[in-house]
Amino acid sequence: GESVGLHLPTLSVQEGDNSIINCAYSNSASDYFIWYKQESGKGPQFIIDIRSNMDKRQGQRVTVLLNKTVKHLSLQIAATQPGDSAVYFCAEKGPRNAGGTSYGKLTFGQGTILTVHP
Amino acid sequence: GAVVSQHPSWVICKSGTSVKIECRSLDFQATTMFWYRQFPKQSLMLMATSNEGSKATYEQGVEKDKFLINHASLTLSTLTVTSAHPEDSSFYICSARTGIETQYFGPGTRLLVL
Repeated sequence: GESVGLHLPTLSVQEGDNSIINCAYSNSASDYFIWYKQESGKGPQFIIDIRSNMDKRQGQRVTVLLNKTVKHLSLQIAATQPGDSAVYFCAEKGPRNAGGTSYGKLTFGQGTILTVHP
Repeated sequence: GAVVSQHPSWVICKSGTSVKIECRSLDFQATTMFWYRQFPKQSLMLMATSNEGSKATYEQGVEKDKFLINHASLTLSTLTVTSAHPEDSSFYICSARTGIETQYFGPGTRLLVL
């Protein structure tokens, strides 16, 4: 089934701590994964992506880890800041469909609410 | 670069009226745009995939006659919610894709149907 949930889990951390947000995806054939940050009342903002032929990718203060064996994705945020408080979504891109017109559509995970306390 | 805008940012309408939402890619051409709906404290649900010059592909359970999508140019897609009802109240978000992977999202449109 699709990895879409109805109620968002939460993660609370202190400013300066490292945060780890986890995501389980559903389609073993997905070949591309993205993490998005969504602040209240705004659209999702791209954070970092990773292809299925990689298991780790680093950005500025963020690292994404991909474990295809257990279909698990994680986002690590170093030295978390109050401005990092938001909802974080993982998304997976499925393989090309037979019809072709829906190729590349994203399926979003349930999301995690990150709250950073000063 | 890769900025996507939506208009309006919020709209309140009476039940039974139709509402049009515009999605524009401001600095790039998007052959494919996507429309999502998001209810409070929930994830984004894909409604339809819009390809320039062709009919939109709707996800299962989304009524194509109720949610009309037009993708007339490489920088503009519109979503019209016809005969809106209170249960259509939601946050509607579009995204535009360059190439085959990266999607850039608009700021969303909040619809409230009274």
